Amino acid sequence: EAGVTQSPTHLIKTRGQQATLRCSPISGHTSVYWYQQALGLGLQFLLWYDEGEERNRGNFPPRFSGRQFPNYSSELNVNALELEDSALYLCASSTGRSGSKETQYFGPGTRLLVL
Amino acid sequence: QKEVEQDPGPLSVPEGAIVSLNCTYSNSAFQYFMWYRQYSRKGPELLMYTYSSGNKEDGRFTAQVDKSSKYISLFIRDSQPSDSATYLCAMRANTGTASKLTFGTGTRLQVTL
Repeated sequence: EAGVTQSPTHLIKTRGQQATLRCSPISGHTSVYWYQQALGLGLQFLLWYDEGEERNRGNFPPRFSGRQFPNYSSELNVNALELEDSALYLCASSTGRSGSKETQYFGPGTRLLVL
Repeated sequence: QKEVEQDPGPLSVPEGAIVSLNCTYSNSAFQYFMWYRQYSRKGPELLMYTYSSGNKEDGRFTAQVDKSSKYISLFIRDSQPSDSATYLCAMRANTGTASKLTFGTGTRLQVTL
């Protein structure tokens, strides 16, 4: 069974540009989560999508946005890039049945570098 | 104060040692507790999953949760060089909109020959 996949693996942008990151969940999973892992800060929750809807959002500015497509894949968009946005962006998926033994499985991440 | 505190290490131990990794937390709503292992330049891999207080064992790994003390631990027996990685504790509450995981900053472990 294929795991969570993310593309691209690496992305280099300059300040002010926009970045688009993509994620495909495990087959059968309807929930997709995005996390930012910046150096020294650990994983910070960004966004949670389930069944095409945004369910929860972390403490990030509105220039971080995303969407989930009918096939449950997801896109994270970061507008007006800042140097501090340089980080590993991780996508995770789950069955979406909260309150049960739901676990999140992570992809390999997209490493974004803002110059 | 962070919701989840974890000693960043690095922690260096000889092969065969018993390793103890710990996290403390402040949010009493957390019900589900996980340990992830992350190798360099890879995504986190789920190691252990526990619900509420108690112990769970899986091979060389044992997870403990003490909700009264808001303290969780991961023990690794007979540590191997392949265990060298960053270990992240994670936890979540039991409500629908709180399915996000809250992570510790991770402890970097080095197992030496």
